[in-house]
Amino acid sequence: DAGVIQSPRHEVTEMGQEVTLRCKPISGHNSLFWYRQTMMRGLELLIYFNNNVPIDDSGMPEDRFSAKMPNASFSTLKIQPSEPRDSAVYFCASSLQGPNYGYTFGSGTRLTVV
Amino acid sequence: AQSVTQLGSHVSVSEGALVLLRCNYSSSVPPYLFWYVQYPNQGLQLLLKYTSAATLVKGINGFEAEFKKSETSFHLTKPSAHMSDAAEYFCAVSDTQAGTALIFGKGTTLSVSS
Repeated sequence: DAGVIQSPRHEVTEMGQEVTLRCKPISGHNSLFWYRQTMMRGLELLIYFNNNVPIDDSGMPEDRFSAKMPNASFSTLKIQPSEPRDSAVYFCASSLQGPNYGYTFGSGTRLTVV
Repeated sequence: AQSVTQLGSHVSVSEGALVLLRCNYSSSVPPYLFWYVQYPNQGLQLLLKYTSAATLVKGINGFEAEFKKSETSFHLTKPSAHMSDAAEYFCAVSDTQAGTALIFGKGTTLSVSS
């Protein structure tokens, strides 16, 4: 299995631009999670999906952030418009057994907004 | 709400010495607990997990952790450190009843000197 695949690995964009991060979970996993990692705040849960349905989006910072999971094999996290404070590493993770068990993480997308 | 506290943001040991990384949790229900490791520029990798079976849990790379309810702790240990153990380590907790996603600690950076 190729694991959780995230793209792009690195993204540099200008403030105000739209940014789309992509994630392909492990085949058969029914839960998908988006986390953000910064030095100041550590790992923060942004949103998670169960069977393609958003369950908890309380961690999404503001309306500029949106996430979708149109099918079991693909999810996107969109930031529009982007701001410098959005600079972080964004991780996607998936789980076979739901939110309570161990996750498999992707390698992350390092986003820099200038 | 669940939370974890990792004592010590940075731990330094010599090669061959005991590794002890501390994690205390707060949970109103029996928790599931996890340790993850993150190498530079990579995603998080599951080391081990406690899911209410044996209180002493063995993981990969020679690590183990013991769940102590009376102390609300889940410390990570390894008898003999190796240079390749240098990384960041995260403790995480989940709410087994609410079905919420994992909550991570701030992380502990382990340095190993020769």
